Amino acid sequence: GAGVSQSPSNKVTEKGKDVELRCDPISGHTALYWYRQSLGQGLEFLIYFQGNSAPDKSGLPSDRFSAERTGGSVSTLTIQRTQQEDSAVYLCASSLRGLNIVGTGGKHFGPGTRLTVL
Amino acid sequence: QKEVEQDPGPLSVPEGAIVSLNCTYSNSAFQYFMWYRQYSRKGPELLMYTYSSGNKEDGRFTAQVDKSSKYISLFIRDSQPSDSATYLCAFRNTGGFKTIFGAGTRLFVKA
Repeated sequence: GAGVSQSPSNKVTEKGKDVELRCDPISGHTALYWYRQSLGQGLEFLIYFQGNSAPDKSGLPSDRFSAERTGGSVSTLTIQRTQQEDSAVYLCASSLRGLNIVGTGGKHFGPGTRLTVL
Repeated sequence: QKEVEQDPGPLSVPEGAIVSLNCTYSNSAFQYFMWYRQYSRKGPELLMYTYSSGNKEDGRFTAQVDKSSKYISLFIRDSQPSDSATYLCAFRNTGGFKTIFGAGTRLFVKA
């Protein structure tokens, strides 16, 4: 079946512009996560959605970052007034449930969006 | 002290070698210990996970957890060029959703 998809695969933007990154999770997965992966760094947690619950935004690095998930499916990560330090690969993942990974194969990651801020 | 430490490598080995990848961690509350594999320009994929301590074997891969030393390992036997990827260790508490990832070790297996 289809995995997690993300678009665009690459995005080059100028400093100060806003960008929107999209994630289509696996159908039926109630949990959705956004991570950021910078060169030589581990995956940095950004935000977590679980069903209709309020999202956990504790990983968002600044108020320039926001995310929404419409209808419990597609999610959009928005970065306003981009800065050069925002350049990274933004990864989206989904899972059947947020808490229990046993037997669910863990998080299923998309291929990521490579963001370059000039 | 970082919550998770992982040598970024790169680690280069000849085909057929035994590969040992390791991570240390500081949070004694971690109960799920995972290894993800990430090919270039792809998202990470779960390779193996262990709950609590002990060893787990899956084909050519063996995961070991030593909670007393806060040290986990992934061994790859008879390594193949197709094993060339970045391997990320990952950790989670029981009942939590946040997974803490290591920086990843880049592995190159030469034919």
